[in-house]
Amino acid sequence: DTGVSQDPRHKITKRGQNVTFRCDPISEHNRLYWYRQTLGQGPEFLTYFQNEAQLEKSRLLSDRFSAERPKGSFSTLEIQRTEQGDSAMYLCASSLEGVGGTDTQYFGPGTRLTVL
Amino acid sequence: DAKTTQPTSMDCAEGRAANLPCNHSTISGNEYVYWYRQIHSQGPQYIIHGLKNNETNEMASLIITEDRKSSTLILPHATLRDTAVYYCIVNAGGTSYGKLTFGQGTILTVHP
Repeated sequence: DTGVSQDPRHKITKRGQNVTFRCDPISEHNRLYWYRQTLGQGPEFLTYFQNEAQLEKSRLLSDRFSAERPKGSFSTLEIQRTEQGDSAMYLCASSLEGVGGTDTQYFGPGTRLTVL
Repeated sequence: DAKTTQPTSMDCAEGRAANLPCNHSTISGNEYVYWYRQIHSQGPQYIIHGLKNNETNEMASLIITEDRKSSTLILPHATLRDTAVYYCIVNAGGTSYGKLTFGQGTILTVHP
């Protein structure tokens, strides 16, 4: 399967711990997005990469959050000093810029974070 | 991004066509209409998108009104596995990247 993959699928951590999630986009997709989804809500945009450059960050992305995409391939999302309010599904999506005038994003299965 | 309005929930009998409406009255000329769905605890799944013309793929059909202010997603023969939350999103995309703005979506329940 050559879709977007995310690891781990589930993460349980204690408040105050650091966690890191990984996203592997579809091969050759140059755009990568992170979203967060809380229970009963639609996904909310967190940040966007074009190749290795992080071009936009949402106000939802506090200074405890950091995302990287070294070499424009996989991406990591780190949360430092986790809080219970960080409990959510973290979704990664990728797309190929401007093919056919569109930017169709394909999502991974998500990482479900539970902070105790 | 333009906002969309969808019914909160809909029901459909298995084997029947499911018609999911979406209003996007403030859509801009360069914005596409995208449909995604999300089955419980999974990532959103891309279904279809369109700009002006009606579109069809192996999953669904998308009917966009001539004034582009509304659209309808059609699942021609709904199955129990089509039970999901369906999101209608407008997005510029293309050379100007488009972060997707999800609303509440429509909860579609397909029953036997």
